[in-house]
Amino acid sequence: EVQLVESGGGLVQPGGSLRLSCAASGFTFSNYWMHWVRQAPGKGLVWVSRIESDGRSTYYADSVKGRFTISRDNAKNTLYLQMNSLRAEDTAVYYCASTLGGYNPLDYWGQGTPVTVSS
Amino acid sequence: IVMTQSPDSLAVSLGERATINCKSSHSVLYSSNNKNYLAWYQQRPGQPPKLLIYWASTRQSGVPDRFSGSGSGTDFTLTISSLQAEDVAVYYCQHYYSTPWTFGQGTKVEVK
Repeated sequence: EVQLVESGGGLVQPGGSLRLSCAASGFTFSNYWMHWVRQAPGKGLVWVSRIESDGRSTYYADSVKGRFTISRDNAKNTLYLQMNSLRAEDTAVYYCASTLGGYNPLDYWGQGTPVTVSS
Repeated sequence: IVMTQSPDSLAVSLGERATINCKSSHSVLYSSNNKNYLAWYQQRPGQPPKLLIYWASTRQSGVPDRFSGSGSGTDFTLTISSLQAEDVAVYYCQHYYSTPWTFGQGTKVEVK
């Protein structure tokens, strides 16, 4: 059974940092592109970042470029999102999602981890 | 690429048809393989999104056949042929044609 389990969310002050993790199981993690997608309270889905199978290629939404860093450890089947210089508008549930390598749909999603940026 | 869904919400009687439209600002049809890089997701209250349809019209494994997708290029439709109570959700279209991958704003489906 495919499982994606996010962790690391919480309350952080503006300007602070958080590191999210996503533990994957039930599939060959190293064959998949991995993504972070967020959803602000009561709002729609927003794609945040993508990392390709070998970890060498990464992409970001303009709203997080230069502040967020996506990475992965294929030996540990784990995806990460380092979030720095956090702003109130980064408040959201953050989902990790998988794509079988290449331009394919987001086929599996985790349950999400909430991040609140507030003083 | 901007994805625009219509309507923002709709209320349909149980057993009746629900139709959601999605328009992209740029074609998501890749000419070399004739595939539309367009997916539909369902998000029930309090749940993560779930993939329903990909390549504009291919149902994900396990998705009931009352869900169907159609369209090509820039105009797409998700149809629920006979609405069931468990279909109450927000539905999103999303393209995966180019980076960044973007979603429509969502369409909320309720029971009338």
